[in-house]
Amino acid sequence: AQRVTQPEKLLSVFKGAPVELKCNYSYSGSPELFWYVQYSRQRLQLLLRHISRESIKGFTADLNKGETSFHLKKPFAQEEDSAMYYCALKKNTGFQKLVFGTGTRLLVSP
Amino acid sequence: GAGVSQSPSNKVTEKGKDVELRCDPISGHTALYWYRQSLGQGLEFLIYFQGNSAPDKSGLPSDRFSAERTGGSVSTLTIQRTQQEDSAVYLCASSLVGTYNEQFFGPGTRLTVL
Repeated sequence: AQRVTQPEKLLSVFKGAPVELKCNYSYSGSPELFWYVQYSRQRLQLLLRHISRESIKGFTADLNKGETSFHLKKPFAQEEDSAMYYCALKKNTGFQKLVFGTGTRLLVSP
Repeated sequence: GAGVSQSPSNKVTEKGKDVELRCDPISGHTALYWYRQSLGQGLEFLIYFQGNSAPDKSGLPSDRFSAERTGGSVSTLTIQRTQQEDSAVYLCASSLVGTYNEQFFGPGTRLTVL
């Protein structure tokens, strides 16, 4: 079975500090990994996916198959980054459900 | 265009009553998903519909939960004989079919069982 682990419930940093939100997964096949974000009073939305290898709002995430990790990083956090972040996994075959981690709340203080 | 919509946005019910939650997916999206977001539990998959295929019900927590999708569009999630542990935000998402297609989420229905 697939599992996604986000060890931190809350990550609190000051504006301008680097941020790393941790995500580890377990899956025997080749997964597709995502980061979803939920800002206050807004709906859950896709932030980035590993296959795109892109930087969104200054965030990047690299899939490390050896360590089964997909950590989300940003070199300089901004107050508007404060939100709930969910790491998610999807199998690359069969049914398309997402398996989510429990989420990490990022709080960026001025 | 319009995104995924859900109704009602909030529902308060008494223990033992039945509730129906509705989801309108994005037009043209053949895949539809229900998730549950509980405090401290993250997001939990409930059920998945894709086209005319049999739904994947593997995430439904008990037989009190059921869902249907009529005409390949609107979906209704029904919870019978609600319990307090059913209190959560119920999220619906839709997508095009395909491994790399993004799931678009609705705003959710917050269910409170008293």
